[in-house]
Parts: sequence; structure tokens; C-alpha cells
Amino acid sequence: DTAVSQTPKYLVTQMGNDKSIKCEQNLGHDTMYWYKQDSKKFLKIMFSYNNKELIINETVPNRFSPKSPDKAHLNLHINSLELGDSAVYFCASSHLGGTNNEQFFGPGTRLTVL
Amino acid sequence: QKEVEQNSGPLSVPEGAIASLNCTYSDRGSQSFFWYRQYSGKSPELIMFIYSNGDKEDGRFTAQLNKASQYVSLLIRDSQPSDSATYLCAVRIVAGSNYQLIWGAGTKLIIKP
Repeated sequence: DTAVSQTPKYLVTQMGNDKSIKCEQNLGHDTMYWYKQDSKKFLKIMFSYNNKELIINETVPNRFSPKSPDKAHLNLHINSLELGDSAVYFCASSHLGGTNNEQFFGPGTRLTVL
Repeated sequence: QKEVEQNSGPLSVPEGAIASLNCTYSDRGSQSFFWYRQYSGKSPELIMFIYSNGDKEDGRFTAQLNKASQYVSLLIRDSQPSDSATYLCAVRIVAGSNYQLIWGAGTKLIIKP
């Protein structure tokens, strides 16, 4: 039943480590997104893929690398984790065209870097 | 820099009253406007979207759009404690050959019993 799923839900790791977050959607959407939400609740777009093609690539450190093996999956790999990477990371999906681009969000991955 | 601004609050409203949430945006080319609700520790979920000037009603919620003044608002009638959450305004803009949502920082709403 789950529309947009993310794993893991919680991730606690040491500075300098490399980690990955996985996202999958079963809504048949053609576009997927990664957002970072910091402690002040500001939702910031990081990347967006449409049919496996990168269409939005905001100013994000090169340590963050998205990968979309197919249009139902979008993963995020983070190298050399830093304290400032601690946040909640949300995956979302939508149809790209039309008037309503309602984005459906996954449950989020709370990343804590120690 | 395209921006969406909201008062961060918290906005405190007594139960049963009308809660009014406001959002302004900078890009006159903005096409669609969205209100999301986010409970603490949860993901954002869509409440309403609007793309034409005027009002759009859905149950206790009314979205109001004024493109000339570049603001969009959300009214919640008969406010309930379960409406206590952060409300995020998002605006769809054209970004190159694609669309992108620009998000406000959210307004925290507290409904007091």
C-alpha cells in the first residue's frame, strides 16, 4: 500500500562516513525529488529526476550524489558526512506536467551525524 | 532569486475560530499554489491547491489567491486541535523546460482548546 517509501527511517553515523538512503514509489509517477529539511523546518530541494534524467540540481555539495536506476527509484549517496548534514531527508514523487503537481512525500530519513 | 514568504508564527487560535494563514511570492510567472500540512515528525501532505484567482473551498478549508498582489492564503474554519501543525506554502514556477516548487518556511499553527 505504501506510496512513497524510504529506508532507513533513522540513520546515526560518525563524521566522515559514507551512507546511502533509498527511495521507491509505486504511484506510477515520472518525477522524483530529494529534499532536505533542517531544524528550522525549511524544506530545500536538492535534486529532481524525470524518467531517470536529472532535471533539478540545486547548489548541493559534490559529496551528495543521487542515482535513479529507474523511474520508480531514486537513491541518495552521501560521502564524507559532516555535522551540517544532520537533517531530515524527504523523498517525494509527482507527475511533472499538468496544473496540479501534487508531490507525495515519503516518511523521511532522520540523519544524525556525530 | 525566487522566494516564498510566510510568517513563521506560532499563530495561536482558539478552538472553533477561523485560522488565517498567509503567503506571498516573488515570481509573477508562478502558476499553481499549494498548501501542505506537516505534523511534527511527519512528512508534508497536500491540503489544497489553487491556480485561478479567487477562492477555492474544500470542507473547512478555503484557499484564496490574488495574483495581482502576489499572495495566497489559507483559511481554516471551525479550527480543531487536530489542525495544530506547520502549514507550508509552495509555489510552482517554470524552471528552464521544467517545473519546480518553491517552498515557504512554514507557519506553525496552534489551536488552543
